[in-house]
Amino acid sequence: EAGVAQSPRYKIIEKRQSVAFWCNPISGHATLYWYQQILGQGPKLLIQFQNNGVVDDSQLPKDRFSAERLKGVDSTLKIQPAKLEDSAVYLCASTFAGWGSRKNSPLHFGNGTRLTVT
Amino acid sequence: AQKITQTQPGMFVQEKEAVTLDCTYDTSDPSYGLFWYKQPSSGEMIFLIYQGSYDQQNATEGRYSLNFQKARKSANLVISASQLGDSAMYFCAMRGDTGRRALTFGSGTRLQVQP
Repeated sequence: EAGVAQSPRYKIIEKRQSVAFWCNPISGHATLYWYQQILGQGPKLLIQFQNNGVVDDSQLPKDRFSAERLKGVDSTLKIQPAKLEDSAVYLCASTFAGWGSRKNSPLHFGNGTRLTVT
Repeated sequence: AQKITQTQPGMFVQEKEAVTLDCTYDTSDPSYGLFWYKQPSSGEMIFLIYQGSYDQQNATEGRYSLNFQKARKSANLVISASQLGDSAMYFCAMRGDTGRRALTFGSGTRLQVQP
């Protein structure tokens, strides 16, 4: 089966510019996550979708970050305007698990988008 | 709230030897799952092994095993017969409650296998 697809692979922008990332999860996976991984740290959850609904966006900086998952498949994450501290790898992950999901369902990750804000 | 602590920023091991990567956790959930992921320099996150909080036996997957000590809230990863390709970042993560929540990750341990 095809894995989680993300694009672009790399992006360099200046501060105050906007940027968008795209994610296509594994076919049939109901749950989609966006994580931010700053260099030298573990991934931190930004937002979790169940189909096209938001389950958890408590750690999403909503003044500048937005995400959507129209039709419950692909998702886009946008940053507007970007700050220097947004430089990180943005990881998209998906899992088959739906509501009442099993705890042992691992997340399947894409290769990430490395964002550099100058 | 859930918290994962990995106290070893870096570890060295000789090829063919075994190595233990430490992970402690804290949660108020009565039921939870623990995961280990490997992240090579290429950046992808690779799922290695899972341990459920009520599993009677410690999980094993090939050369990976999980030393789960529930009372101590620890879930250490043991890699046997280390290979050069094991050099990577290793992350411990957990998911609690019904499984609807996302994984919470630790800060990671960088393992370097020396020939």
